[in-house]
Amino acid sequence: EVQLVESGGGSVQPGGSLRLSCAASGFTFSTYWMHWVRQAPGKGLVWVSRINGDGTFTNYADSVKGRFTISRDNAKNTVYLQMDSLRAEDTALYYCVRDLRSSNYWGQGTLVTVSS
Amino acid sequence: QSALTQPASVSGSPGQSITISCTGTSSDVVGYGFVSWFQQHPGKVPKLMIYDVSIRPSGVSNRFSGSKSGNTASLTISGLQAEDEADYYCNSFTSSYTHVFGGGTKLTVL
Repeated sequence: EVQLVESGGGSVQPGGSLRLSCAASGFTFSTYWMHWVRQAPGKGLVWVSRINGDGTFTNYADSVKGRFTISRDNAKNTVYLQMDSLRAEDTALYYCVRDLRSSNYWGQGTLVTVSS
Repeated sequence: QSALTQPASVSGSPGQSITISCTGTSSDVVGYGFVSWFQQHPGKVPKLMIYDVSIRPSGVSNRFSGSKSGNTASLTISGLQAEDEADYYCNSFTSSYTHVFGGGTKLTVL
């Protein structure tokens, strides 16, 4: 059974940092693109970032480029999102998603709150 | 990376058909056949309903169908049921090798 379990969310002040993790199981992790998608409270889905299977290609939404870094450790079946210089508008539920385009595997999300 | 354009809301009565549009540009919807549709019930994780414009994943009702014409992709739900009431989001791959979602459409079953 495919499982994606996010962790690392919490409350942080503006300008602070957090690292999200997504532990994957039930599939050959290293063969899939992994994505982060966020959803602010009461708002729509927003794509954040993606990384290819071996970690050599990454892409980011303009809103997070230069502040967020996606990475993965295939030995640990885990994808990460390092979030620096956090802003109030980064407050959201962050989902880890396997192959956003065509598969239906999402984690339950981890909540990030940026507030002073 | 402007969001794809969706109507904020649509509604229909049980048994009717409705269509949700998703308008993009040559950099996303037009240029690529990688448009997906997601359904999200309140408090729940999004569910993939259509991918690659018109392919329905296993287990998704055949009442759901997708299409594309020019810069607009569409999701059609036929035989509307109460359980279809949810938010729907389109998503497209882009020429910048990123993805972009639409703003979401709230479907109300009257």
